[in-house]
Amino acid sequence: GAGVSQSPRYKVAKRGQDVALRCDPISGHVSLFWYQQALGQGPEFLTYFQNEAQLDKSGLPSDRFFAERPEGSVSTLKIQRTQQEDSAVYLCASSFRLGTGELFFGEGSRLTVL
Amino acid sequence: QQQVKQSPQSLIVQKGGISIINCAYENTAFDYFPWYQQFPGKGPALLIAIRPDVSEKKEGRFTISFNKSAKQFSLHIMDSQPGDSATYFCAASTGGTSYGKLTFGQGTILTVHP
Repeated sequence: GAGVSQSPRYKVAKRGQDVALRCDPISGHVSLFWYQQALGQGPEFLTYFQNEAQLDKSGLPSDRFFAERPEGSVSTLKIQRTQQEDSAVYLCASSFRLGTGELFFGEGSRLTVL
Repeated sequence: QQQVKQSPQSLIVQKGGISIINCAYENTAFDYFPWYQQFPGKGPALLIAIRPDVSEKKEGRFTISFNKSAKQFSLHIMDSQPGDSATYFCAASTGGTSYGKLTFGQGTILTVHP
């Protein structure tokens, strides 16, 4: 497709379960970002990659959160031992290169932890 | 730490009216100020952006006004239309390779009545 694709769109997990969220960026975009958006709030930065290199992970809320982009294309955000406070929409965005401001966001993965 | 404060939280405007949303920031290192539009169930989409070397930027019905000394910027939507009804987020970043590492405001829910 032409846009950023995220899956699953909706995920319900029991507290303590591990989840994996996938992001397929726009073809040719070297930069990839993950944001977390709580209900009624603005997105909050989690981490970003340039190709396969994770350049900044300062926004990851705890060591239960892990992101990877092993081949510089598809990225996975993994959350271990989910907690209720992890419930949010996880947005992935890509851009043509670092240093350009325009981010293209996917529709997000809505995670609900029961 | 709330580095970008946005107001109002919600705004109701009649069709044809002017919608004005304001943001204030604290970090003087911010160098890039975009506005994003988000419809329910969708990811944010870039609307317009400004850098601090100009005081105003206009694209169609959308104008950003920027006041560096006051550390404030605003979005004006002229001739507001029902299709403009969405949530609007201001954001800021420090530029360079961090243009995409955005700090978002809390959002403004705009409703345009026909």
